[in-house]
Amino acid sequence: GAGVSQSPSNKVTEKGKDVELRCDPISGHTALYWYRQSLGQGLEFLIYFQGNSAPDKSGLPSDRFSAERTGGSVSTLTIQRTQQEDSAVYLCATAGASYNEQFFGPGTRLTVL
Amino acid sequence: QQPVQSPQAVILREGEDAVINCSSSKALYSVHWYRQKHGEAPVFLMILLKGGEQKGHEKISASFNEKKQQSSLYLTASQLSYSGTYFCGTYVSGNTPLVFGKGTRLSVIA
Repeated sequence: GAGVSQSPSNKVTEKGKDVELRCDPISGHTALYWYRQSLGQGLEFLIYFQGNSAPDKSGLPSDRFSAERTGGSVSTLTIQRTQQEDSAVYLCATAGASYNEQFFGPGTRLTVL
Repeated sequence: QQPVQSPQAVILREGEDAVINCSSSKALYSVHWYRQKHGEAPVFLMILLKGGEQKGHEKISASFNEKKQQSSLYLTASQLSYSGTYFCGTYVSGNTPLVFGKGTRLSVIA
């Protein structure tokens, strides 16, 4: 596709369940970011992948959060044992290089009941 | 490491001008500006690079003071479509990630 895609667009889950959020980047983009945006808040950095380098996980809020990027393309963000405070929109963004303009996906709205 | 934006919010009438500021405590390689409309994903507006190169939007301009580690976004003759939250993102170097400020909410009214 022409842009960044994310799935699912909406996810409702029960507290304690695990969820997986997917990001399909623009072809050829080596930099991939995950952000979390709570209602009315800013863009909270979670994790960053750049090429084959080890990911920068400094923004992950707890060890319940993890992410991987397979073959330098698709990325999956996994949240284990979800809590109500995990409810937010999760945005993925990709760029041709770490310093280039970022293209954002439409986001996944996660609701934890 | 997160840049500081000011003001937090501003309300304008159509045709008025606004300036949004972004400052960092670290030496910067580049500053990015994005706009997010309600319910949508952020959209790229502009990049300002160390050394003065600037790429971006026709109707919006910006400055980058490398010595002061500050950037300002200038919105002139504002239109209703300018409403949204503006985020600056700062990039330091190497493989460090782009880090966003908390945003400035801009509302343009008729």
